[in-house]
Amino acid sequence: DTAVSQTPKYLVTQMGNDKSIKCEQNLGHDTMYWYKQDSKKFLKIMFSYNNKELIINETVPNRFSPKSPDKAHLNLHINSLELGDSAVYFCASSQGGTGGDEQFFGPGTRLTVL
Amino acid sequence: AQSVTQPDIHITVSEGASLELRCNYSYGATPYLFWYVQSPGQGLQLLLKYFSGDTLVQGIKGFEAEFKRSQSSFNLRKPSVHWSDAAEYFCAVGSGYSTLTFGKGTMLLVSP
Repeated sequence: DTAVSQTPKYLVTQMGNDKSIKCEQNLGHDTMYWYKQDSKKFLKIMFSYNNKELIINETVPNRFSPKSPDKAHLNLHINSLELGDSAVYFCASSQGGTGGDEQFFGPGTRLTVL
Repeated sequence: AQSVTQPDIHITVSEGASLELRCNYSYGATPYLFWYVQSPGQGLQLLLKYFSGDTLVQGIKGFEAEFKRSQSSFNLRKPSVHWSDAAEYFCAVGSGYSTLTFGKGTMLLVSP
């Protein structure tokens, strides 16, 4: 059973479009995250949610909107896609929401904006 | 603010040789330290973590890391590298008050 799953795995779209990436975890964790990994492999946190409540919202354009319908799901919606949004997006989860908690990562979604 | 430095962007090691990947962190108190591995096209997998106690930590796949407070380091080691170890390795630091901060990663290449 996949612990943290993301769909789709690949996403190719045109500039200006709106797209969503879905994430689900079956670990019973309370906290979920979205990370962006750029072309140089740098991994930067975007958001974290704890029990459906937004905890961390790093300096991310408001075109990015996370939505957590329940604590097992954290989706990422992106409006008006730009070339610079091309990256790999990782979802992760952990039991607690602090830096001492091991995070479990999904396989990533490679977004390409043309 | 906490930060992590991985000074080596790429490292090439011969199969069977020993490996050491460097990691230096910046944090005021005792940090939580992690090493993650990312195989091509995959998500990150935890190799090992340090919270407190014994400064030499054993992980999966034969990896170990040593916490040295005086040097603010948490270097990853493996005595004999296998071709399947070729991947990107990330060091990360966290605390009880904030989430993880990752280093920029070190790409390990294994030559035959």
